[in-house]
Amino acid sequence: GAVVSQHPSWVICKSGTSVKIECRSLDFQATTMFWYRQFPKQSLMLMATSNEGSKATYEQGVEKDKFLINHASLTLSTLTVTSAHPEDSSFYICSARRGDGYTFGSGTRLTVV
Amino acid sequence: QKEVEQDPGPLSVPEGAIVSLNCTYSNSAFQYFMWYRQYSRKGPELLMYTYSSGNKEDGRFTAQVDKSSKYISLFIRDSQPSDSATYLCAMSVGGDQFYFGTGTSLTVIP
Repeated sequence: GAVVSQHPSWVICKSGTSVKIECRSLDFQATTMFWYRQFPKQSLMLMATSNEGSKATYEQGVEKDKFLINHASLTLSTLTVTSAHPEDSSFYICSARRGDGYTFGSGTRLTVV
Repeated sequence: QKEVEQDPGPLSVPEGAIVSLNCTYSNSAFQYFMWYRQYSRKGPELLMYTYSSGNKEDGRFTAQVDKSSKYISLFIRDSQPSDSATYLCAMSVGGDQFYFGTGTSLTVIP
């Protein structure tokens, strides 16, 4: 079946540093990937949609200069949280569209200290 | 008001029980209704998918959608310890924009 590999599964970083999260589609080509985040006791919220070879589309309220998304190949999308702050601590998860379905990565728990 | 409301639980039931998980929503334009199951340290996986109103059954799982009440349910019959997971409802008007519930944590006790 379709598999999306997401790394790292958890990361702790210092405030002000940047963190990169990778999502790879292992057995299919993903022209479109989605990035979600989930704060404690809240639902998964779509942050942005990335299409291979073009700029990502960000949802309202998501800072595109802070959350850099790169989708340079059909199997890899990355999310970089720049100048991370404690309020960016959250669960980040990617999803890739394959046909009519969507496959999720296993998520990344980011803690900014 | 949140687009989708889901009781986070936790819900704990004995093995063999019937489990009922529910979500309510506010947007009458939602047409696609999904239930995802998420095991610890794993990503959500699609469990059931329903278009518009009605029931859908798959083995021990039954999904119900009542659009008039803006209410969806997932029933699990003869629950098993392997059903222990977080269950997320999600809905869409179409396209890629999903609205998720917060998830309900379920534990089935042997």
